[in-house]
Amino acid sequence: EVQLVESGGGLVKPGGSLRLSCAASGFTFSNVWMSWVRQAPGEGLEWVGRIKTKDAGGTTDYVAPVKGRFTISRDDSKNTLYLQMNSLKTEDTAVYYCTTDLGKSYFGSWGQGTLVTVSS
Amino acid sequence: EIVLTQSPATLSLSPGERATLSCRASQSVSSYLAWYQQKPGQAPRLLIYDASNRATGIPARFSGSGSGTDFTLTISSLEPEDFAVYYCQLRSNWPIFTFGPGTKVDIK
Repeated sequence: EVQLVESGGGLVKPGGSLRLSCAASGFTFSNVWMSWVRQAPGEGLEWVGRIKTKDAGGTTDYVAPVKGRFTISRDDSKNTLYLQMNSLKTEDTAVYYCTTDLGKSYFGSWGQGTLVTVSS
Repeated sequence: EIVLTQSPATLSLSPGERATLSCRASQSVSSYLAWYQQKPGQAPRLLIYDASNRATGIPARFSGSGSGTDFTLTISSLEPEDFAVYYCQLRSNWPIFTFGPGTKVDIK
């Protein structure tokens, strides 16, 4: 059974940094492209970014509002996905979900999410 | 940039009724569209991908149709556990992914 468990959320001041982790199990992590999706309180879903497998070059793509501030990485030896968030803004407040990419197009499995609150 | 709109914003129905949810794209997206269900306090769940393919474990009462710019998610007979928010999602802005604003299906 696929399991994705996010951690690392919390309260941070504007301009601060936070690193989220997503521990994966139940599938061959190194073979799967992974994404982060966020949801602000009471709002809809927003794709944040994704990382390809090392075989596909390990490259990353991001949505415009987080480019240059957020970095996605992966450690295949630890079956773990990361989201490094710098220069955080109040509008980054959201639940952040780790997801598997299905067919490089959709989000097949989701973690339970971790809440990030950016506030002074 | 392709924009997704969903209608209605809220659909009030009774258990056993048929639900028809719409997702419209501002440009043709072929059949590269998915539907997700989200219940309060839970992560979204993939229901339908490539417009009409049910994801693993999804009951047959859920079906998707459409292509081009107009897509429909149909729940043939609502069960109590189906009252939730439904989002459509597009891959045609690849590598950027877009979600619609959602349709809430609540109990009448």
